[in-house]
Amino acid sequence: SQQGEEDPQALSIQEGENATMNCSYKTSINNLQWYRQNSGRGLVHLILIRSNEREKHSGRLRVTLDTSKKSSSLLITASRAADTASYFCATDAPQAGTALIFGKGTTLSVSS
Amino acid sequence: GAVVSQHPSRVICKSGTSVKIECRSLDFQATTMFWYRQFPKKSLMLMATSNEGSKATYEQGVEKDKFLINHASLTLSTLTVTSAHPEDSSFYICSAKRGPGEKLFFGSGTQLSVL
Repeated sequence: SQQGEEDPQALSIQEGENATMNCSYKTSINNLQWYRQNSGRGLVHLILIRSNEREKHSGRLRVTLDTSKKSSSLLITASRAADTASYFCATDAPQAGTALIFGKGTTLSVSS
Repeated sequence: GAVVSQHPSRVICKSGTSVKIECRSLDFQATTMFWYRQFPKKSLMLMATSNEGSKATYEQGVEKDKFLINHASLTLSTLTVTSAHPEDSSFYICSAKRGPGEKLFFGSGTQLSVL
């Protein structure tokens, strides 16, 4: 089963521009996490935002969470070619022992 | 930080054979591990939840007899793809949490190709 829907599915930008990806989910959550995946590789954890948080920053990343709208956004500022990857949001339910449920992902292409 | 090790990273096998994938939590005990499957250009789909000392919980549509999961210790879970067929070719990823509400640590994945 999949919880989240990312928007857009694909995004192409130039280096230096900002990239914004959105994620919507359906059920209550304990936290929401963003991951990055390069083609054919494993996942890299980017940032975790808890349900009682509204915004979080990590370097060039900014994540927002709106639990009333069941949505989150990931902003990558001053993008670089190396940011080219697929980005997934994943939700963690409040119940203990539950798995992360992933959204469909956004494929970001940053051209130099 | 916590590390999850997955092995092998890539395997090519003939149709009809069985393939075992191992997932180890290296510096923490994981009573629960999770197995995901990912098709090319698609997202991760949860296959099953592996519980130490008990039977795995499979997601709807995942064949228990096809994908055997064994979580024999607090640091090791294995996924065996039995009688593999070309349609089983996929990227399989395991993961584990240190505790409730914590982030999930992922293995590096196994690319299975069934000829």
